Amino acid sequence: AQSVAQPEDQVNVAEGNPLTVKCTYSVSGNPYLFWYVQYPNRGLQFLLKYITGDNLVKGSYGFEAEFNKSQTSFHLKKPSALVSDSALYFCAVTFGGQLTFGSGTQLTVLP
Amino acid sequence: DTAVSQTPKYLVTQMGNDKSIKCEQNLGHDTMYWYKQDSKKFLKIMFSYNNKELIINETVPNRFSPKSPDKAHLNLHINSLELGDSAVYFCASSQDRGSSYEQYFGPGTRLTVT
Repeated sequence: AQSVAQPEDQVNVAEGNPLTVKCTYSVSGNPYLFWYVQYPNRGLQFLLKYITGDNLVKGSYGFEAEFNKSQTSFHLKKPSALVSDSALYFCAVTFGGQLTFGSGTQLTVLP
Repeated sequence: DTAVSQTPKYLVTQMGNDKSIKCEQNLGHDTMYWYKQDSKKFLKIMFSYNNKELIINETVPNRFSPKSPDKAHLNLHINSLELGDSAVYFCASSQDRGSSYEQYFGPGTRLTVT
């Protein structure tokens, strides 16, 4: 069975600083990894995905994620955080067409 | 144009009632899903349909019954509602059932059972 772990429930960062939201995965075979963002009272929005190829994946709103097979990680990053990036971020993995989400990390960007 | 829409957005009802949530996608996708998000924001898949055929049916009480009249619609009917059914229910769709396809989510339906 596949799973993802987001070790931090909450991440705080100052506006303009780089941000990292951590994710590790466990899956048999090649993983398909995703990041989604949820703004308050909204549905989830797709940010980026890793399927194969380049380990650095670029996505929406200036976000990127680095796939690290040896560490089984897929951390989300952004070079310069904005207050508007404050939201709930979910890492997810698919296997057999089924998407399994992590527990979510609340990102707060402080002005 | 709303890609994935759900109605209603809010649903407040009493225990024991039967209610339905409707979902429609205009993306031309073949696969649709229902998820439940609990009060701790944990997301869990409930059902998945591909071209009107049920392909994922997680451990969900049989009081929950999905129905897909066509591949653009996936409705969720809930019988004999219980307090523990209170949650936000999200509909989603993807181009196909393969693992590489991202999913597009609706705005959610907040169900409150009193």
